[in-house]
Amino acid sequence: KAGVTQTPRYLIKTRGQQVTLSCSPISGHRSVSWYQQTPGQGLQFLFEYFSETQRNKGNFPGRFSGRQFSNSRSEMNVSTLELGDSALYLCASSLKDEQFFGPGTRLTVL
Amino acid sequence: GNSVTQMEGPVTLSEEAFLTINCTYTATGYPSLFWYVQYPGEGLQLLLKATKADDKGSNKGFEATYRKETTSFHLEKGSVQVSDSAVYFCALFKETSGSRLTFGEGTQLTVNP
Repeated sequence: KAGVTQTPRYLIKTRGQQVTLSCSPISGHRSVSWYQQTPGQGLQFLFEYFSETQRNKGNFPGRFSGRQFSNSRSEMNVSTLELGDSALYLCASSLKDEQFFGPGTRLTVL
Repeated sequence: GNSVTQMEGPVTLSEEAFLTINCTYTATGYPSLFWYVQYPGEGLQLLLKATKADDKGSNKGFEATYRKETTSFHLEKGSVQVSDSAVYFCALFKETSGSRLTFGEGTQLTVNP
């Protein structure tokens, strides 16, 4: 069974731009969660989608948004990028309490 | 709210040494507990889990026991290898919090030959 895939793997953007990251979960997994990983803040939960509905949301500004499609694929969008948004963005798909992570998208904001 | 505290790192060991990485948690009820490992340039891999008190999770020589009385889930390995060098994260999952993992700070382990 294929694992969680994330595209692109690396992104470089400038302040003020927006970015869209994509995540394809493991086949059969309906829940997709997103996390931001930075050296200073560690791993922080962004949001979770289940059956195309946002079920849970972390403490991030409204510039961070997401959606899930009927095939469970998910995208997250960050608008008006700031330098502090530079991070590794990890997507995880889950069945019950086990979450399986993708390799992440490394976003650099210049 | 839920929280996880890991021992401060980094940890540096010689090959074949004994490893302990401490993890304690704060949560009501009975969360599920996990250890994840992250190798350089990669995402997180599930290493082991335990879902109820006194459960022992084990995988690849690593073990951790869910201790409700001390709210701990310490990671141990009897003989580490160079290939175990990575960052280790303790995490908890509480169903009432949705599918949200709460992570500890991570512990960088370096094993020297």
